[in-house]
Amino acid sequence: ELKVEQNPLFLSMQEGKNYTIYCNYSTTSDRLYWYRQDPGKSLESLFVLLSNGAVKQEGRLMASLDTKARLSTLHITAAVHDLSATYFCAATMEYGNKLVFGAGTILRVKS
Amino acid sequence: NAGVTQTPKFRVLKTGQSMTLLCAQDMNHEYMYWYRQDPGMGLRLIHYSVGEGTTAKGEVPDGYNVSRLKKQNFLLGLESAAPSQTSVYFCASSWTTGGLTEAFFGQGTRLTVV
Repeated sequence: ELKVEQNPLFLSMQEGKNYTIYCNYSTTSDRLYWYRQDPGKSLESLFVLLSNGAVKQEGRLMASLDTKARLSTLHITAAVHDLSATYFCAATMEYGNKLVFGAGTILRVKS
Repeated sequence: NAGVTQTPKFRVLKTGQSMTLLCAQDMNHEYMYWYRQDPGMGLRLIHYSVGEGTTAKGEVPDGYNVSRLKKQNFLLGLESAAPSQTSVYFCASSWTTGGLTEAFFGQGTRLTVV
C-alpha cells in the first residue's frame, strides 16, 4: 500500500526567506505530483515529476525527485505573500492509476 | 472550457437522508475519482473508475456508492448520510499517456450532515 508523508504540516515563513517542504513515499512510485490549494478553492497542478533526478522550476518554486530515496522536495526561494497556500504532494504506484495524497503543508508567508 | 464540473457546490443534509453528487468532465478522460478532504488528512480516495461501466473502491469507500454509466459522468451516492460524512468532496479526472497521469479537479462540494 502506497503511503505519502509530508513535512512539515505547517510552515510559517518570513518574506524573503527560503525553505523546503519534504515528501516521502513508502513504495516504488514512478510519478510524483505537487499541487497547490488556496482556501476554499480546488487543487491546481504545479509540477509532475516523472523520473529520478527530475527537477522542475516555476518562479520561486522548484521541485525535485529522488526515486532511490523515495523523496521529493519543494523548495521555496525568497518567499512572497502570494505563495501562502496549502501544498500537497501525491504519488502513484508503478503502473497504477490512483493518486495517493500527503496530508498537505499549510504555508503562511508573513510580511 | 468547462473541465471538471461538480454539482452541487454546497449541501446540508439531515442524518439519514440520501443524496447524489454529480461529476461531469468534458475532456474525454478514461479515469475518474472521488476524494474527500478533511482538515489535516489531505485527500482520501473514496472510489474511482478506470472506464465507462467500471468502478473500484478506494481508501475510504464505506457509506458511499458510485456509478459510471456514461464516460463523462461519475456519480457519488450517500444512501444514509451520517455526520462523519461532513466533508469537502472533490471529483477528478485523468488520462494516461505514455505513463503520465495528470489529474484535473473540480471545484469541490461542501457537504454538511447535521
